[in-house]
Amino acid sequence: GAGVSQTPSNKVTEKGKYVELRCDPISGHTALYWYRQSLGQGPEFLIYFQGTGAADDSGLPNDRFFAVRPEGSVSTLKIQRTERGDSAVYLCASSSQGSETQYFGPGTRLLVL
Amino acid sequence: DAKTTQPPSMDCAEGRAANLPCNHSTISGNEYVYWYRQIHSQGPQYIIHGLKNNETNEMASLIITEDRKSSTLILPHATLRDTAVYYCIVASNDYKLSFGAGTTVTVRA
Repeated sequence: GAGVSQTPSNKVTEKGKYVELRCDPISGHTALYWYRQSLGQGPEFLIYFQGTGAADDSGLPNDRFFAVRPEGSVSTLKIQRTERGDSAVYLCASSSQGSETQYFGPGTRLLVL
Repeated sequence: DAKTTQPPSMDCAEGRAANLPCNHSTISGNEYVYWYRQIHSQGPQYIIHGLKNNETNEMASLIITEDRKSSTLILPHATLRDTAVYYCIVASNDYKLSFGAGTTVTVRA
């Protein structure tokens, strides 16, 4: 079946602009996660959704970052007033109810010029 | 969650077993050991996890010491496609994974 998909695969933007990154989880998965991976480092947790609600957003670095999942399926990560330091790969993962396994998408490579 | 220590890199020969060590000396009783890997330019891929018993699946085996302070991931017959960064993660829940730097494994023909 289809895995986790993320769009766009690459995004180049200018400092100060607003961007939206989309994640389509595996059908039926109730849990959804966002991570950020900087060059040469492991992924860092950003936020976790259980259904429509954010169960843990402690990893969001500041209030320029926001994520939604209005219908409990697709999620959008929104970054306002982008900074060069936001350049990274943004990874999305999903898992089914009661499962310990997170399935990751290929990521969106964000470059802020 | 407890921190883990892994060697930064290791090489192994194609067709041989690859043994990847991980130290987690501060692990607590309710924390699991997870292994993920990340092939270049892809998202991480789940391999295996365990609490205290050894585990085996179609990809690998996980050996956890009796005191649970360290573990070893075993890839029984490494192939070139197993070249990746391997992450050992200790977590008390299944959603907040802390990846660390991992071990870069290079399988050589």
